[in-house]
Amino acid sequence: DAGVIQSPRHEVTEMGQEVTLRCKPISGHDYLFWYRQTMMRGLELLIYFNNNVPIDDSGMPEDRFSAKMPNASFSTLKIQPSEPRDSAVYFCASSSWGGLAGYNEQFFGPGTRLTVL
Amino acid sequence: KNQVEQSPQSLIILEGKNCTLQCNYTVSPFSNLRWYKQDTGRGPVSLTIMTFSENTKSNGRYTATLDADTKQSSLHITASQLSDSASYICVVSADSRGKLQFGAGTQVVVTP
Repeated sequence: DAGVIQSPRHEVTEMGQEVTLRCKPISGHDYLFWYRQTMMRGLELLIYFNNNVPIDDSGMPEDRFSAKMPNASFSTLKIQPSEPRDSAVYFCASSSWGGLAGYNEQFFGPGTRLTVL
Repeated sequence: KNQVEQSPQSLIILEGKNCTLQCNYTVSPFSNLRWYKQDTGRGPVSLTIMTFSENTKSNGRYTATLDADTKQSSLHITASQLSDSASYICVVSADSRGKLQFGAGTQVVVTP
């Protein structure tokens, strides 16, 4: 399996523009997570889906952020309008329920480095 | 206040030496504790995952311990190699399926 795929790997945009980040989870995984990582705040969970349904979006910072998962193999994170403080690395991760193990192991994508000027 | 505290923030060690990283947490209830390795410019990769009933788990030269009573964990790196240079992140989950609480990480630099 190719692992979690994210695109683009780098995005530079100007303040006020719309930004769309994309993620393809590992085939067969039914959980998908969006994270943001900055030097100041470390890794933060933004939102996660189970079977394409958003379960917890309490980490989404503002209404400018939205995420969708139209099917099991694709998700987007959109920022509209973007601001300089949104500059960060955005990671997507996916997992499947571990059953008797009692947990699900999350596999992270390579991330999208977003710079908003 | 972060519910997962890691120490030290950073450390430099000589190749071949051992080191131990610490993690204290206040997350409750507790489901599992994970250690991730994150190389520069890449996503985190899981090293170990421990549930309440486990107090030690190894992955090659990495050994994690867990004391659920004192809410402390450590990650021991044996015979360090240059490729061990990375950020090591302690992650605690109160929910077996979803939400993770991340520590700020310990930056390890292994020098020749």
